[in-house]
Amino acid sequence: EADIYQTPRYLVIGTGKKITLECSQTMGHDKMYWYQQDPGMELHLIHYSYGVNSTEKGDLSSESTVSRIRTEHFPLTLESARPSHTSQYLCASSDLAFGYTFGSGTRLTVV
Amino acid sequence: AQSVTQLDSQVPVFEEAPVELRCNYSSSVSVYLFWYVQYPNQGLQLLLKYLSGSTLVESINGFEAEFNKSQTSFHLRKPSVHISDTAEYFCAVSDLQGGSEKLVFGKGTKLTVNP
Repeated sequence: EADIYQTPRYLVIGTGKKITLECSQTMGHDKMYWYQQDPGMELHLIHYSYGVNSTEKGDLSSESTVSRIRTEHFPLTLESARPSHTSQYLCASSDLAFGYTFGSGTRLTVV
Repeated sequence: AQSVTQLDSQVPVFEEAPVELRCNYSSSVSVYLFWYVQYPNQGLQLLLKYLSGSTLVESINGFEAEFNKSQTSFHLRKPSVHISDTAEYFCAVSDLQGGSEKLVFGKGTKLTVNP
């Protein structure tokens, strides 16, 4: 079944740790995205990719980085986590005819 | 740049009552429009979309939305809501100028259906 997967679902980590949030899709979409969503707030685009070896920063500045070495995989990395990074991170891929497909999200808490 | 306004941050209604969640976007020559639903502690699920053709689009669970180009609106409606419709609803616009597929989201409307 075509889908998009994010791991972990929940992560509590200490300040200064390096973390990688995983995102994989099985739909063969070229376009993938990372959104950041604070509780009860709107979604903000932080990174996007239009294909392998293509990554761009989104509308909201973020200290995270992304990579796109394979079509199906779009991980997000924080080199040194801080409490200000506490948020929900949503990964998505798109085919314009069908819209975006979102993963279940990773809820990150940095203590 | 494209922007989306959801006029109501919270909408409380009673079960079986009708509901309308309002969405307006900034003007553009060509846009695709979407409504997404987010249940607690979950990701977003596509509820319905307007790409072209009929301005009235429907979802499988009774929601409908109408694209109104002159008013730059895409309001979401349901004639009779259920408790299970309680969720956050996001309106989103994809601005097709320049070939971008980036979605711009509204701030969301929290629908609470009370018994």
